[in-house]
Amino acid sequence: AQSVSQHNHHVILSEAASLELGCNYSYGGTVNLFWYVQYPGQHLQLLLKYFSGDPLVKGIKGFEAEFIKSKFSFNLRKPSVQWSDTAEYFCAVNAGYQKVTFGIGTKLQVIP
Amino acid sequence: GAGVSQSPSNKVTEKGKDVELRCDPISGHTALYWYRQRLGQGLEFLIYFQGNSAPDKSGLPSDRFSAERTGESVSTLTIQRTQQEDSAVYLCASSLDRAGGYTFGSGTRLTVV
Repeated sequence: AQSVSQHNHHVILSEAASLELGCNYSYGGTVNLFWYVQYPGQHLQLLLKYFSGDPLVKGIKGFEAEFIKSKFSFNLRKPSVQWSDTAEYFCAVNAGYQKVTFGIGTKLQVIP
Repeated sequence: GAGVSQSPSNKVTEKGKDVELRCDPISGHTALYWYRQRLGQGLEFLIYFQGNSAPDKSGLPSDRFSAERTGESVSTLTIQRTQQEDSAVYLCASSLDRAGGYTFGSGTRLTVV
């Protein structure tokens, strides 16, 4: 069965710091990978997704993620975070057309 | 509509009562999910509908939970004899197909008192 691990549950950064949130999945076959974001008081939104092709995926608001198949990873990155990036971030995997499985989420707090 | 619509947005119910939550997916979206998000926890998969296929009910926590969907339209999630541990935000999401890229509704916050 597929599973998703997010290793950082709570991250605190100062504005302009660089961000990398870890995500690892377990499934040996073809996967679709996603990052979702939930801003305070709002519902989940799709940040970016990987289906195939270029393993470096660009998303909204300057976020990107790199799919490294050999490491079963899909880490989320942003070179310089802003206070408005304070949110909870969820990694998700959809393998072999099974249901989408979400990680437990990472709460990001950006300090002005 | 433009997005996934869920109703009610908030529901407070007494322990032991039944509740029904509604989800209107984006028109044309064949896939529909229900998730639950308890306070301080991640997303918990409940049930998945894909077109006319039999739904994947593997995430339903007990037989008090059930869900229906007519074709590719509205879905209702029913919780019978609610318990305090059922308190959570219930999220619905829909997608064009099973490959993902889901659009989420704003959720129903259920509080069982």
